[in-house]
Amino acid sequence: DSGVTQTPKHLITATGQRVTLRCSPRSGDLSVYWYQQSLDQGLQFLIQYYNGEERAKGNILERFSAQQFPDLHSELNLSSLELGDSALYFCASSAGQNSNQPQHFGDGTRLSIL
Amino acid sequence: GDSVTQMEGPVTLSEEAFLTINCTYTATGYPSLFWYVQYPGEGLQLLLKATKADDKGSNKGFEATYRKETTSFHLEKGSVQVSDSAVYFCALTRKQAGTALIFGKGTTLSVSS
Repeated sequence: DSGVTQTPKHLITATGQRVTLRCSPRSGDLSVYWYQQSLDQGLQFLIQYYNGEERAKGNILERFSAQQFPDLHSELNLSSLELGDSALYFCASSAGQNSNQPQHFGDGTRLSIL
Repeated sequence: GDSVTQMEGPVTLSEEAFLTINCTYTATGYPSLFWYVQYPGEGLQLLLKATKADDKGSNKGFEATYRKETTSFHLEKGSVQVSDSAVYFCALTRKQAGTALIFGKGTTLSVSS
């Protein structure tokens, strides 16, 4: 058990809809990362928050947004969903902002767009 | 930009065989290097890491040495078990580029008894 909790485990929805994925980091971790895993793109970094502030952006679409709340949990919002957004979305957390620190991953949310 | 290249899988081995999964990277400076493992239906787990040249990371019988001269971080295990069947990801972070992980495409390992 990594200590990172992601909900829901599975989401099935239709094109054009909006969904929210939730992540609770390990106790004490201030950094939260979101990654997307798909068959064609592999594992790609989307966005990072540190103690409530956005720290880095990767290959995140404009239709996607995220935030980190004062209790450090994070939400990833995906809107105007397209078939190509079907993927496994992982949240990871780490203690701080040191690139040597390992990231601890949740079990992911599998998003299926019909 | 920074990137990680892993050997294509799947890798199929018999129990107790020797394992090598090749990983090379492209990055300026001195990245930190990681191996993560993903078991079916689960998230990624850190297997081992190395943060500077010539460091050797090790865990659960797996080893990898940070070779700056060949920009490589190959994963090895002397005797694999059926329970090692999983997908293995090589990854890097570079301090000057933030702390996000850059992953290779993953290598599927299947071990049979």
